[in-house]
Amino acid sequence: NAGVTQTPKFQVLKTGQSMTLQCAQDMNHNSMYWYRQDPGMGLRLIYYSASEGTTDKGEVPNGYNVSRLNKREFSLRLESAAPSQTSVYFCASYEGNQPQHFGDGTRLSIL
Amino acid sequence: RKEVEQDPGPFNVPEGATVAFNCTYSNSASQSFFWYRQDCRKEPKLLMSVYSSGNEDGRFTAQLNRASQYISLLIRDSKLSDSATYLCAVFVYNFNKFYFGSGTKLNVKP
Repeated sequence: NAGVTQTPKFQVLKTGQSMTLQCAQDMNHNSMYWYRQDPGMGLRLIYYSASEGTTDKGEVPNGYNVSRLNKREFSLRLESAAPSQTSVYFCASYEGNQPQHFGDGTRLSIL
Repeated sequence: RKEVEQDPGPFNVPEGATVAFNCTYSNSASQSFFWYRQDCRKEPKLLMSVYSSGNEDGRFTAQLNRASQYISLLIRDSKLSDSATYLCAVFVYNFNKFYFGSGTKLNVKP
C-alpha cells in the first residue's frame, strides 16, 4: 500500500538543465497536485489536475510544466532549471471530501 | 491577503503544558478543514480533520468557527514528541484546491 510515490528523492542540477519529477498514486484518486515548500513560505501550489486529461495552474506555475499521463501519474517538468527553483517538492492526491495524501517529497538543489 | 493565515511561532512550551493554535481563512466557501503535522524535512501528515461540531482525538481537540472563519487546535499534556510544525488546510470545493497556512512551529521542552 504505497500511497503516493515520488521519484527521485534528491536531485542536484546545474542552472539551465532540465528534469522531470515523477509522481504516482495507487489510491485511484482523481485529483493530483504539485506543491513546492520553501522555508517560512508554507506549501505553494504549482499545478494541479482535477482529473485525468486536465491540468490547471496554481499559485506559482512559472518555469514549470506538467503532464497527467494517466489517472495514476502526474509529472512535473523543469525545462531550464534556475536557482530560484531550489526547493522541496511535494506531490499529493485527493478524492472526495477527504484529506490530501502526500508523497515524501523531492529535495531539489539547483546550482 | 493570504487565503489561510497562521501565527508562525515558535511556541516554546514545557512538557505537560496545554497549547492552542489558531488559523484564519478568508474564503467563506471553504468546505473542509484539516490539521496536518509536519516534521523537519518530511511530508505533511494528517493529524485530524475538523468537523463543524468540533472533534477530539486523544490529547488533541479541533474546533471550527464558521462565523469568524477560523479553526483551532488544542493540544493537552504536551509531549516532547509533539514538537513539530502544524499546518492548517482548507479545501474549497468550487476551485478543487487546498489552501495551506505557512505553519506554526511547536517546541516542547523537558
